[in-house]
Amino acid sequence: DAKTTQPNSMESNEEEPVHLPCNHSTISGTDYIHWYRQLPSQGPEYVIHGLTSNVNNRMASLAIAEDRKSSTLILHRATLRDAAVYYCIRCSGNTPLVFGKGTRLSVIA
Amino acid sequence: NAGVTQTPKFRVLKTGQSMTLLCAQDMNHEYMYWYRQDPGMGLRLIHYSVGEGTTAKGEVPDGYNVSRLKKQNFLLGLESAAPSQTSVYFCASSLGGAYNEQFFGPGTRLTVL
Repeated sequence: DAKTTQPNSMESNEEEPVHLPCNHSTISGTDYIHWYRQLPSQGPEYVIHGLTSNVNNRMASLAIAEDRKSSTLILHRATLRDAAVYYCIRCSGNTPLVFGKGTRLSVIA
Repeated sequence: NAGVTQTPKFRVLKTGQSMTLLCAQDMNHEYMYWYRQDPGMGLRLIHYSVGEGTTAKGEVPDGYNVSRLKKQNFLLGLESAAPSQTSVYFCASSLGGAYNEQFFGPGTRLTVL
């Protein structure tokens, strides 16, 4: 049970921002939200994670709702290299990550 | 740093054969994991380890065994391979805790005929 809900697929035009949503309505107070992505024929790679506050790094931004029941991964300018499956994962304590099916992002040139 | 490496990259087995997949990490991570990924699916946890000499079952442990004799290595064994074990196998490692990310290897593509 991945305990998060994501759209199966999304599409974006190149160089436009992309907002990938994730619902985690049963999240507990100590769960972190992690995002990973998996490019074709590669292992997953870490993108970003957060607890309560919005987070930014060189790859993306993570916006977490005030009630923490949802979050949005923001890619500021999508490139063709960003085409991948994006996984939103709740992470608590020392339990291993549980992957759902994620969102397949297609980027159109 | 090499990060997480996996050996071999590809392997074809016949039903009933055995093999061992090796995962190595050079980041001094306590936690290591083995996942499998079937076509069009997310990753599923097979076994994991929270430190040298420890192992624990994940979501789909049947048909696999693991060992963590050294902190940097995590071995996944298939004693009698079955076609249902055809998959891509990913190893990962982390410092542990919900605030630390997992680092993944490039995967091993296994086909069982």
